[in-house]
Amino acid sequence: DAGVIQSPRHEVTEMGQEVTLRCKPISGHDYLFWYRQTMMRGLELLIYFNNNVPIDDSGMPEDRFSAKMPNASFSTLKIQPSEPRDSAVYFCASSLNGRELFFGEGSRLTVL
Amino acid sequence: AQSVTQPDIHITVSEGASLELRCNYSYGATPYLFWYVQSPGQGLQLLLKYFSGDTLVQGIKGFEAEFKRSQSSFNLRKPSVHWSDAAEYFCAVGGNTGGFKTIFGAGTRLFVKA
Repeated sequence: DAGVIQSPRHEVTEMGQEVTLRCKPISGHDYLFWYRQTMMRGLELLIYFNNNVPIDDSGMPEDRFSAKMPNASFSTLKIQPSEPRDSAVYFCASSLNGRELFFGEGSRLTVL
Repeated sequence: AQSVTQPDIHITVSEGASLELRCNYSYGATPYLFWYVQSPGQGLQLLLKYFSGDTLVQGIKGFEAEFKRSQSSFNLRKPSVHWSDAAEYFCAVGGNTGGFKTIFGAGTRLFVKA
């Protein structure tokens, strides 16, 4: 079975550019989570969806970040404009019950 | 508010030796508890979980963890470590009320020496 698929795996961009990260959850999972991992702050929950509806976005750092889930098999996390402090590994995870998380391999973002 | 503390940033053990990684949590009600493992450049993989019932839970790769409510702890153990166990280990707590936020500890990096 395919796991959670994230793209791109690596992204290098310049400050001010728009960045879009993509996620395909495991088929049948109706929860989707976006996390950010940095050395300084560890793993932070940014937002999660249930049945494609955003439930809690209190972890989204600021208005430059937005996330969408247009259907059950696709989600995006967008940063516009990007800043160097956004450099991190962004993980998508899906879940059948909202508890046990299945993670993708992450998207490593570097903003110069 | 939920929180997770992993007191050890890194631990080194010899191959074949036993392992215990510590985890303390703060949560107002009965928590859901998890251990995840992350190899370099990879996502996190669930090792084991505790929801209710028997306080000693078994996971994959020979790991186990024990929930101790009185100590607010959920320590991870393995009787004999293999070199392939070298990775970062994360303890996590999730609530059963007010949503599905899972909060992760800072992680403990395990080094295994031959």
